[in-house]
Amino acid sequence: GESVGLHLPTLSVQEGDNSIINCAYSNSASDYFIWYKQESGKGPQFIIDIRSNMDKRQGQRVTVLLNKTVKHLSLQIAATQPGDSAVYFCAEIGGGSYIPTFGRGTSLIVHP
Amino acid sequence: SAVISQKPSRDICQRGTSLTIQCQVDSQVTMMFWYRQQPGQSLTLIATANQGSEATYESGFVIDKFPISRPNLTFSTLTVSNMSPEDSSIYLCSVSTGATNYGYTFGSGTRLTVV
Repeated sequence: GESVGLHLPTLSVQEGDNSIINCAYSNSASDYFIWYKQESGKGPQFIIDIRSNMDKRQGQRVTVLLNKTVKHLSLQIAATQPGDSAVYFCAEIGGGSYIPTFGRGTSLIVHP
Repeated sequence: SAVISQKPSRDICQRGTSLTIQCQVDSQVTMMFWYRQQPGQSLTLIATANQGSEATYESGFVIDKFPISRPNLTFSTLTVSNMSPEDSSIYLCSVSTGATNYGYTFGSGTRLTVV
């Protein structure tokens, strides 16, 4: 599995810009992926998910892209708002396990 | 989705002592899990809490250090035993409703500081 880094990578954007958060997953047998948002002092909250038979899924202001060839997942947030400031985690499920394995996480900072 | 109440929300404890964290869910759930989130890091699964039987621990976590109870389908506890400063972390309860999308939900976490 993926090793946990010492510090979270940070993405700083201006309010109104589009944000792209990337995640590399470890298990080629994973067939379900989830993006979570974690605000300070709270537990992770579900944002959007995607199954491995899809390469794109859209929600409200968010889009998840899946590239199974290179085991890469991205979360796109349109018109980023200060309330989007949080840590974002990707998680993968599959390969015989039904329990999410979390990626490293990215801290998103939105400047007004 | 299920609503989780996790207590305490934070605590400062002396080394060598133990702390029990409670996780109460507002509905019966299939699976309950405990995670640890060390400062500035991702979530690591400690164990799956099994109703009526011993928890299933992940590599690197043992029952003597992290005893877990799950007496019914809505409640679980995690104890952090004989604490040291290295145990300072956020501990999170998570549940799955077994829905199509697995229905994973997290509690707000317990921020533990060991001094």
